[in-house]
Amino acid sequence: AQKVTQAQTEISVVEKEDVTLDCVYETRDTTYYLFWYKQPPSGELVFLIRRNSFDEQNEISGRYSWNFQKSTSSFNFTITASQVVDSAVYFCALMGGSGAGSYQLTFGKGTKLSVIP
Amino acid sequence: DTGVSQDPRHKITKRGQNVTFRCDPISEHNRLYWYRQTLGQGPEFLTYFQNEAQLEKSRLLSDRFSAERPKGSFSTLEIQRTEQGDSAMYLCASSLGIGPLEQYFGPGTRLTVT
Repeated sequence: AQKVTQAQTEISVVEKEDVTLDCVYETRDTTYYLFWYKQPPSGELVFLIRRNSFDEQNEISGRYSWNFQKSTSSFNFTITASQVVDSAVYFCALMGGSGAGSYQLTFGKGTKLSVIP
Repeated sequence: DTGVSQDPRHKITKRGQNVTFRCDPISEHNRLYWYRQTLGQGPEFLTYFQNEAQLEKSRLLSDRFSAERPKGSFSTLEIQRTEQGDSAMYLCASSLGIGPLEQYFGPGTRLTVT
């Protein structure tokens, strides 16, 4: 069975602060994929990143960065210099690499980020 | 390239009525997925299609739920004899190709059963 845990239910930061959203996952698959999605107040899930289990290189995209650590089964997401527009619910998700798990996303419960001006 | 669209965006129905939702995927996306999201939770997988074939439906919540994608383009999700517990956001997503790819989501249909 696959499981994603986002222990932080809600986080509030002041604009321009850095914030890290935690994600811990469980899977028995040797190959798997990790994702982050953003759900702004409008409700539509927006894809942010996909990471393969065999590629542990961290990634940076503008103010966003992701830290994948296979040893601790974590895939954390950091927003640098947060902005009000970053306010949203962020979901971490897991997909298996083959067979029955290679099409469905298993989501965590999400972390609601509020950036205060 | 237009995104995934869903219709209606909101639906209020009385318990016991049937409802049908429509999803139009991104053009040329061969895979289409349905998820359900309840308040404070992440989306929960229901079913998916590759072209017109429904390859996984065991996760549909009960036999009151059914989905179709007759021509491999748009899809419909039907709930028969709705119950109050069916109140949720129903999300559709699509992807291009096969394998573990990122899925692009529509805005969802919010169902309220009174």
